[in-house]
Amino acid sequence: AQSVTQLGSHVSVSEGALVLLRCNYSSSVPPYLFWYVQYPNQGLQLLLKYTSAATLVKGINGFEAEFKKSETSFHLTKPSAHMSDAAEYFCAVSFSSTGFQKLVFGTGTRLLVSP
Amino acid sequence: SQTIHQWPATLVQPVGSPLSLECTVEGTSNPNLYWYRQAAGRGLQLLFYSVGIGQISSEVPQNLSASRPQDRQFILSSKKLLLSDSGFYLCAWSVRDEQYFGPGTRLTVT
Repeated sequence: AQSVTQLGSHVSVSEGALVLLRCNYSSSVPPYLFWYVQYPNQGLQLLLKYTSAATLVKGINGFEAEFKKSETSFHLTKPSAHMSDAAEYFCAVSFSSTGFQKLVFGTGTRLLVSP
Repeated sequence: SQTIHQWPATLVQPVGSPLSLECTVEGTSNPNLYWYRQAAGRGLQLLFYSVGIGQISSEVPQNLSASRPQDRQFILSSKKLLLSDSGFYLCAWSVRDEQYFGPGTRLTVT
């Protein structure tokens, strides 16, 4: 069965520092992987997705993630944190690509950015 | 462009009362629709999904039900709410390999 593990329920960084949010997945088939961001009391917004093309995926707001099959990881990074990046981030794995998909989400990582 | 609406935005209901949350999608046809619940400090749990009008699949046994009376309308219901039904309910739609989420409904059962 597909599953996602996000290490660290909270990550704190200073403004301008590197952001690294970790995600490891378990999947019996080649996965589709996603990162979503959620601001307080809002829905989820798609940051980026991996769908078996390039292993380094660039998303919105300067975020990117690298798919590493050997490590079963899909960590999210951003070179320089902004205060506006403070939010909760969810990694998800999908096991369908035919228009209908089920997403399995991690438990989320709250990113705190200090001045 | 496609948009997704959910209402109400917030709801406070007593235990034992009924529930109806509505989700509508604009700008697309025959979307797959999903209901998720997000409990405090936890990830998202898929409750129901639908691939077409009248077609509902349930992911977990619970006190809730879903219906899809029209192509772009998805309704989450309960006859009698429990305290454990409190949470943030999110509706989503997909056509290909991306899901798009609505703004959510925060439900507090007292």
